[in-house]
Amino acid sequence: SYELTQPPSVSVSPGQTASITCSGDKLGDKYACWYQQKPGQSPVLVIYQDTKRPSGIPERFSGSSSGNTATLTISGTQAMDEADYYCQAWDSSIVVFGGGTKLTVL
Amino acid sequence: QVTLRESGPALVKPTQTLTLTCTFSRFSLSTSGMCVSWIRQPPGKALEWLALIDWDDDKYYSTSLKTRLTISKDTSKNQVVLTMTNMDPVDTATYYCARGLRVTMVQGITRRVHRYMDVWGKGTTVTVSS
Repeated sequence: SYELTQPPSVSVSPGQTASITCSGDKLGDKYACWYQQKPGQSPVLVIYQDTKRPSGIPERFSGSSSGNTATLTISGTQAMDEADYYCQAWDSSIVVFGGGTKLTVL
Repeated sequence: QVTLRESGPALVKPTQTLTLTCTFSRFSLSTSGMCVSWIRQPPGKALEWLALIDWDDDKYYSTSLKTRLTISKDTSKNQVVLTMTNMDPVDTATYYCARGLRVTMVQGITRRVHRYMDVWGKGTTVTVSS
């Protein structure tokens, strides 16, 4: 079955750029999306179709994808961005989530 | 705005069948490209997708759980129902429903399908214990 692999944790200083990767076989041939989940809250879609940002999501969130890796980039990271982030793709009629990455803003 | 709300029992006993209902508003599940998914999250763990039902009644299930799951919809009531049989304590989790969208992009001979969930419910916590 298809798997998406994320680093368990990423740390970033306020104002710096955070990059969270998501790896899967030929992921660049599919589409990836990203969700943000803060403690005690439901996930929120922050990037879809690799690079698109839903309305209401700050411009500092961006996405890219190539080869086997999709990347969520947060520019000028703020304390409010501290959360768990999950990538997701669709493969062989199955929704697949990555294991999640805890972003810590130090 | 689009909303979804999960409802069902907070506590079920092992071996029982869980029935969860997702009631949604401000969109129609008869619109092409729309779907509703169920996703769960055990305490402190990652999201796990369970099942999805499309506007045209196509249904998809998690490979590992498909023998225990049934998803259905009542378009007139704006509801999607998920049943999970033979509940076990490891099924203790917060269960979410979410609106999904399907996008198909064709570039030359390449066809790419994307599904993503743009609006989530608040979730309902289910504990499995005797």
